[in-house]
Amino acid sequence: DIVMTQSPDSLAVSLGERATINCKSSQSVLKSSNKNNFLAWFQHKPGQPPKLLISWASTRESGVPDRFSGSGSGTDFTLTISSLQAEDVAVYSCQQYYSNPLTFGGGTKVEIK
Amino acid sequence: EVQVVESGGGLVQPGGSLRLSCAASGLSLSTYWMNWVRQAPGKGLEWVANIKQDGSEKYYVDSVKGRFTISRDSANNLVYLQTNSLRVEDTALYYCVRSRGWIMDVWGHGTTVTVSS
Repeated sequence: DIVMTQSPDSLAVSLGERATINCKSSQSVLKSSNKNNFLAWFQHKPGQPPKLLISWASTRESGVPDRFSGSGSGTDFTLTISSLQAEDVAVYSCQQYYSNPLTFGGGTKVEIK
Repeated sequence: EVQVVESGGGLVQPGGSLRLSCAASGLSLSTYWMNWVRQAPGKGLEWVANIKQDGSEKYYVDSVKGRFTISRDSANNLVYLQTNSLRVEDTALYYCVRSRGWIMDVWGHGTTVTVSS
């Protein structure tokens, strides 16, 4: 099974500042045949279902603000919120879809400082 | 609008069973892989099971193998999760999730399963 490890567990960032969340997989999620990283990022707010933000490590879903960006390849990935807004307070989780069992990181709670 | 809606959760004693259902509107579930994902209180997301479009392939997380069964009723646009031999640690909010290709993109609001004596 591919283990997904996120860091930090939580972070507090001032409004308008940058938030950076890291995600590491225990084995590569880069498929050599198509050069795609099988990695997604979700935003999860209390009382709501998780929302898909980014797939293929760096492709934003339609309607996701461009302050959210994903980067990385192989085993190391980053989600960056370039200018934190109040509505971005949530838990963010990475997830690999390279192989079953599908696995999530433990989540990173983002708060306002 | 594309949406999925879960039902069937409830309070059950350890060792009991529940059948969770997932219904869809605005999409045909039979054209997608479908998943169940759960979140225990205070914990992160955990994928539980998925099923291929034609039902020919099913996969499970190790902790539920032999106890849970995923299935689909394409005629009625439904997906099920039969949960047997429930344990306290199965207590969670269970989400039904569509996969677009490999990507889990449409989530329901979930149904709560509580296992307690």
